[in-house]
Amino acid sequence: DGGITQSPKYLFRKEGQNVTLSCEQNLNHDAMYWYRQDPGQGLRLIYYSQIVNDFQKGDIAEGYSVSREKKESFPLTVTSAQKNPTAFYLCASSAWTSGTDTQYFGPGTRLTVL
Amino acid sequence: QKEVEQDPGPLSVPEGAIVSLNCTYSNSAFQYFMWYRQYSRKGPELLMYTYSSGNKEDGRFTAQVDKSSKYISLFIRDSQPSDSATYLCAMSDSGGGADGLTFGKGTHLIIQP
Repeated sequence: DGGITQSPKYLFRKEGQNVTLSCEQNLNHDAMYWYRQDPGQGLRLIYYSQIVNDFQKGDIAEGYSVSREKKESFPLTVTSAQKNPTAFYLCASSAWTSGTDTQYFGPGTRLTVL
Repeated sequence: QKEVEQDPGPLSVPEGAIVSLNCTYSNSAFQYFMWYRQYSRKGPELLMYTYSSGNKEDGRFTAQVDKSSKYISLFIRDSQPSDSATYLCAMSDSGGGADGLTFGKGTHLIIQP
């Protein structure tokens, strides 16, 4: 089955800890994205990557970091510098080189700060 | 400017009714328009994708784009309880949302059996 997987489904973090959220896709998509969703809010773009070993900041990148060492993988690290990290995190991918394609989402990771 | 406006609801309608969901936007560069359905605690699922102005139909769903008014709509015919979800509009000025999509806040839809 082709798709996007995110792990873990639920993640708990203590104050001051860094945590890494996993995102893997087997759709052979070039581009991958991380969004954050808060209650009553739309999705906000954290980081995106259009090609391996390259990534760009989105609208709310502060306190987050990413890497793109493989086409299939785009992990997100939530650092201790992120002051309000409790949220639902969504990873997406896209074959953006096609003008008719769009983004497809994984099932999400719910991060809670204790 | 990347603002997208969407009424958060909740919108509650009886089963079988026609549902109309809408978004307005301000950035005239947007050309690609999407509707996603999101069930509680799940990832968004792509429903409809349209380019530029016009209508697109897929089963019970019809998407309309009016670029002159900066207004997009999603119509659901013969609504079912399983359609109860949050519907997110999204848009982009680049194909495939290459540099990210701009989302509305979502409309919470409830279909009453």
